[in-house]
Amino acid sequence: EAQVTQNPRYLITVTGKKLTVTCSQNMNHEYMSWYRQDPGLGLRQIYYSMNVEVTDKGDVPEGYKVSRKEKRNFPLILESPSPNQTSLYFCASRGGQNTGELFFGEGSRLTVL
Amino acid sequence: RKEVEQDPGPFNVPEGATVAFNCTYSNSASQSFFWYRQDCRKEPKLLMSVYSSGNEDGRFTAQLNRASQYISLLIRDSKLSDSATYLCVVKSGGFKTIFGAGTRLFVKA
Repeated sequence: EAQVTQNPRYLITVTGKKLTVTCSQNMNHEYMSWYRQDPGLGLRQIYYSMNVEVTDKGDVPEGYKVSRKEKRNFPLILESPSPNQTSLYFCASRGGQNTGELFFGEGSRLTVL
Repeated sequence: RKEVEQDPGPFNVPEGATVAFNCTYSNSASQSFFWYRQDCRKEPKLLMSVYSSGNEDGRFTAQLNRASQYISLLIRDSKLSDSATYLCVVKSGGFKTIFGAGTRLFVKA
């Protein structure tokens, strides 16, 4: 089954404790992206990757890091989480630049105390 | 000004009603347009693409007005299962994809 898998789905952590949210897709997609969703603000892009070893900042990259060592994986790293990073995070993938549909993971709800 | 703006609603309609959502975008160079549906606490899923000539998929009709830079979604004969948040999505050239904040729809029996 074609899918995007994120882990963990739910996480409560404390300020400053490094964490990683994993994302994996099995569709051989070149493009992957991370979004955060907050009430009234919609989905905002954090980082995206056009292919292996190619990543770029989205609209709200501060406080986040990513890596793309393999095509299928695109982890999101919070080196020192802060309460303003409490949010619902979605990973998404797409086949290529001209392919419109984004396939989303089920989301990761993160709470930073 | 937000790049993609939608009326947040909520729209409360009875079953069988026709409801329309509009969305405006600010970048005149935008190339592709979509409507996504998001159920409560779930991931967004593509509902339909929006083409310049307008397009229909069952009870759903999407239209694009490039001159006025707005997109619309019309839902006819609303069902209870249509209750969700509808996200307007605009893609510029390359990889930039902008999501509207969404319009919430509640269809009631």
